[in-house]
Amino acid sequence: AQSVTQPDIHITVSEGASLELRCNYSYGATPYLFWYVQSPGQGLQLLLKYFSGDTLVQGIKGFEAEFKRSQSSFNLRKPSVHWSDAAEYFCAVGANTNAGKSTFGDGTTLTVKP
Amino acid sequence: NAGVMQNPRHLVRRRGQEARLRCSPMKGHSHVYWYRQLPEEGLKFMVYLQKENIIDESGMPKERFSAEFPKEGPSILRIQQVVRGDSAAYFCASSPPGDTRLEAFFGQGTRLTVV
Repeated sequence: AQSVTQPDIHITVSEGASLELRCNYSYGATPYLFWYVQSPGQGLQLLLKYFSGDTLVQGIKGFEAEFKRSQSSFNLRKPSVHWSDAAEYFCAVGANTNAGKSTFGDGTTLTVKP
Repeated sequence: NAGVMQNPRHLVRRRGQEARLRCSPMKGHSHVYWYRQLPEEGLKFMVYLQKENIIDESGMPKERFSAEFPKEGPSILRIQQVVRGDSAAYFCASSPPGDTRLEAFFGQGTRLTVV
């Protein structure tokens, strides 16, 4: 069975500082990996996805993530955080036959200090 | 091209009432997925439907919950005799026909409150 672990429930960073959100997955085959952002009371917005190929993936809003098969990780990074990045971030793994049927982590809440 | 549309955005029901949540997939999409997000948790898969067929309902509670995706009209998630524990955000996602390995697109969710 597939699973996703986001070890950090809550992270606080200062505006302008760099950010890394951790994601570890468990899946028997090649996973499809996603990062989503959810602002309070809103739906999910896809930040980036990894299906195959280059293991460093660029997304929207200046985010990137790196797929490391040996570590079963797909960490999300941003070099300089903006106050508007404060939100909840979810990592998800999709089955290689159906990305719509995904398993989500419990999320990491990001707070940005001025 | 409008995105995935869910309505209502907010729904309040008294214990024992029925809740009906609607999801209109993106134009041209024929696969629909429902997820539930309990407070302070991630999304949990409930059910996967194609037109007139339930493909995978492994995440659906065995009682009181049902889903359909008719030939015409939106997909409906129905919760009968709601209880306080059903209070959650319910999200719908859709994906196009053909290659289901591609990403699914999420709606903004329906937030159900049971009082």
